[in-house]
Amino acid sequence: AQKVTQAQTEISVVEKEDVTLDCVYETRDTTYYLFWYKQPPSGELVFLIRRNSFDEQNEISGRYSWNFQKSTSSFNFTITASQVVDSAVYFCALSEGGSEKLVFGKGMKLTVNP
Amino acid sequence: DAGVIQSPRHEVTEMGQEVTLRCKPISGHNSLFWYRQTMMRGLELLIYFNNNVPIDDSGMPEDRFSAKMPNASFSTLKIQPSEPRDSAVYFCASRGLPLETQYFGPGTRLLVL
Repeated sequence: AQKVTQAQTEISVVEKEDVTLDCVYETRDTTYYLFWYKQPPSGELVFLIRRNSFDEQNEISGRYSWNFQKSTSSFNFTITASQVVDSAVYFCALSEGGSEKLVFGKGMKLTVNP
Repeated sequence: DAGVIQSPRHEVTEMGQEVTLRCKPISGHNSLFWYRQTMMRGLELLIYFNNNVPIDDSGMPEDRFSAKMPNASFSTLKIQPSEPRDSAVYFCASRGLPLETQYFGPGTRLLVL
């Protein structure tokens, strides 16, 4: 069965600090997809990134970067030089290759204080 | 391009009333998903459709919940009769090709008194 664990439930940082959000997943499939979504205080779910299991290359997009390590079943998300606008709940999610279902972690609430 | 559109954005109703939530997927997307978000259970998939056909409704809580997709541009999620424990945020999502990214609507915040 597929499972996503976000061990941290809440983090509070001061603006300009770097912060890493952890995500550990479980799956028996060799083909799967990993996602990060952001849910700001306004409530919508915003797609950030999608990774397939055959692509372990790390990715950087502006202040955001993602570290995918199959050896530890982790897909961690780092925000560099955090800003107040980064305050949100962040969800990691997994879908197995033969399934349309997205299984979400419990989410991690990030608060960036000025 | 417009994203996924959901209506209403907020709904307050009394226990026992019928509630209908609506969703318009992104044009050209042929799969549609209904999720529910609560503090206790997080984000759960209720049902999804491929090409307007329900594929998996194993997440639908009970017979009080039903979903339809009469055409490629419209879906409804109905709760009849509603109960206070149905209070949650209901999200609709759509995607294009199989296994591609799901894009979410803004959600409907439902409160059943």
